[in-house]
Amino acid sequence: DTGVSQDPRHKITKRGQNVTFRCDPISEHNRLYWYRQTLGQGPEFLTYFQNEAQLEKSRLLSDRFSAERPKGSFSTLEIQRTEQGDSAMYLCASSSGVGNEQFFGPGTRLTVL
Amino acid sequence: AQSVTQPDIHITVSEGASLELRCNYSYGATPYLFWYVQSPGQGLQLLLKYFSGDTLVQGIKGFEAEFKRSQSSFNLRKPSVHWSDAAEYFCAVTNSGYALNFGKGTSLLVTP
Repeated sequence: DTGVSQDPRHKITKRGQNVTFRCDPISEHNRLYWYRQTLGQGPEFLTYFQNEAQLEKSRLLSDRFSAERPKGSFSTLEIQRTEQGDSAMYLCASSSGVGNEQFFGPGTRLTVL
Repeated sequence: AQSVTQPDIHITVSEGASLELRCNYSYGATPYLFWYVQSPGQGLQLLLKYFSGDTLVQGIKGFEAEFKRSQSSFNLRKPSVHWSDAAEYFCAVTNSGYALNFGKGTSLLVTP
């Protein structure tokens, strides 16, 4: 296992379209996190899963955003009716327990035209 | 409100010089503290972390950080900077154990 992977690495879409991103965590990690990073800012927490249960969602996660982690393995983040303000780097991380190091993937860069 | 502040947006140091990056936090109790580095096109990599115990923690790549409860600070240091250290550095804090709260980052430029 070489770490957290994310697909795609880049996505360009038109405003109003739906997009879906995938994250594959480190295989033995039961916790998975999504963050969003805009230019010149630090990552902002969006949501987190323990196994297949989504335990926390940030206020940043509007109704247009939905995340799933079926079977507690990979996760998907879907954005419906994308807006230009959704343009950002979407980061996924995984960890094996409370307070433990979160290992980050390379991110998916979304550009909404 | 809980917050993480990195006062320096950009720092320039000469190769071989020492480095200190500042991080201040505002939390009700002592949180878990982290420093991450992000190089262009690379994912975030953990440099070091503080949970409890010895307030001086050692990390990878020759970095260390000191937790000062009285100052609510967790500053990152390196005695001699290498050109490959040029990157964006983020301080992160959590008291929940899962949702990391990141500072805005400090961009480090290393000159010859």
